[in-house]
Amino acid sequence: AAGVIQSPRHLIKEKRETATLKCYPIPRHDTVYWYQQGPGQDPQFLISFYEKMQSDKGSIPDRFSAQQFSDYHSELNMSSLELGDSALYFCASSSRQGAESYGYTFGSGTRLTVV
Amino acid sequence: GIQVEQSPPDLILQEGANSTLRCNFSDSVNNLQWFHQNPWGQLINLFYIPSGTKQNGRLSATTVATERYSLLYISSSQTTDSGVYFCAVEAGAGSYQLTFGKGTKLSVIP
Repeated sequence: AAGVIQSPRHLIKEKRETATLKCYPIPRHDTVYWYQQGPGQDPQFLISFYEKMQSDKGSIPDRFSAQQFSDYHSELNMSSLELGDSALYFCASSSRQGAESYGYTFGSGTRLTVV
Repeated sequence: GIQVEQSPPDLILQEGANSTLRCNFSDSVNNLQWFHQNPWGQLINLFYIPSGTKQNGRLSATTVATERYSLLYISSSQTTDSGVYFCAVEAGAGSYQLTFGKGTKLSVIP
């Protein structure tokens, strides 16, 4: 079965550089989510898109932006990178039916290291 | 926002032993999921279980929504069960984001 595809798997950037992470959700899933997991922490919600429109916004820094494209893939853009941005970034997708979500599937994550 | 508490925070088991992990949440939820994060960082969905009981091999889970808790049972543990187990809830009311607990770090030793 198709899963959530994230790229790249690993990324090393220097401070103040820019990074772009990509996510391809499961086909026919209508909602995409981005989460950030710092070392030893639980995943924290950043932002989500439902049918290509921004849906929820969590603790996403102003330096970060995201969008979902017509083919449903999503990109997380991170500018002016700081050492504290080093983390595992997950994308997840789900299918909403009515007012309920029927479970998330997470991608394998992108490990970002800022040096 | 909704609070999610998991216990115990750490657990060491001998291979073959059984265990129960607990998740308490502070408000009613539309969705509750259990995840296993393996040592490589992958988050594997174990159960989607907003209420009731489900079983999958050596794992089973029960959620009592009216009492706001969920339990994950691991039987006959194996070294490959090691990792962090997260409980995550979706509070609903128009919000579809998951709020995670701090996790239970399980180490299964041979």
